[in-house]
Amino acid sequence: AQSVTQLDSQVPVFEEAPVELRCNYSSSVSVYLFWYVQYPNQGLQLLLKYLSGSTLVKGINGFEAEFNKSQTSFHLRKPSVHISDTAEYFCAVSDRSGFQKLVFGTGTRLLVSP
Amino acid sequence: GAVVSQHPSWVICKSGTSVKIECRSLDFQATTMFWYRQFPKQSLMLMATSNEGSKATYEQGVEKDKFLINHASLTLSTLTVTSAHPEDSSFYICSASERRGADTQYFGPGTRLTVL
Repeated sequence: AQSVTQLDSQVPVFEEAPVELRCNYSSSVSVYLFWYVQYPNQGLQLLLKYLSGSTLVKGINGFEAEFNKSQTSFHLRKPSVHISDTAEYFCAVSDRSGFQKLVFGTGTRLLVSP
Repeated sequence: GAVVSQHPSWVICKSGTSVKIECRSLDFQATTMFWYRQFPKQSLMLMATSNEGSKATYEQGVEKDKFLINHASLTLSTLTVTSAHPEDSSFYICSASERRGADTQYFGPGTRLTVL
């Protein structure tokens, strides 16, 4: 079984500042890793995913994440945030077999202020 | 590409009635569809996994007789909340993948259910 921990429930940041949203996972098997963004009253949009290969993954809207196997982390970063980045961000893992069910973290609310 | 729609986007019903939510993959064939439930300010919890033409697999603690899932075609899955009660009020989100074991799920916009 897998589990995902997002330690920060809320991250306030000023516009144009850098941000890092933390994600740690636990699994006894190899996993795929994902970051999703959810705007109010909407479904989830895939930001980026790590399947294999390069540990630095670039996604949409200027976000990137780095897979660190030794630290079992997959932190999300953006060098300069915009007001429009205000949303809920979910880290998720799935195993590499079967139906690959997603296990989500509890989410981090990114609040960007001017 | 890879667009998933849900209908309705929101629904209000009386306690004791049944509500059906549709999930459609618009531009791809979805062999596998997932149904999630999200409580306010909480994460998504997987309710069930369905494959086209077969019975859904429910997660532990999810009542299969209360949450009926049908995946009759490669583009449509339905979730019926039977005899709804106020505690069933939630945000229901579906996702779809193109094949069993596909690495990416595409999410619908969600359905807000309010049971009075």
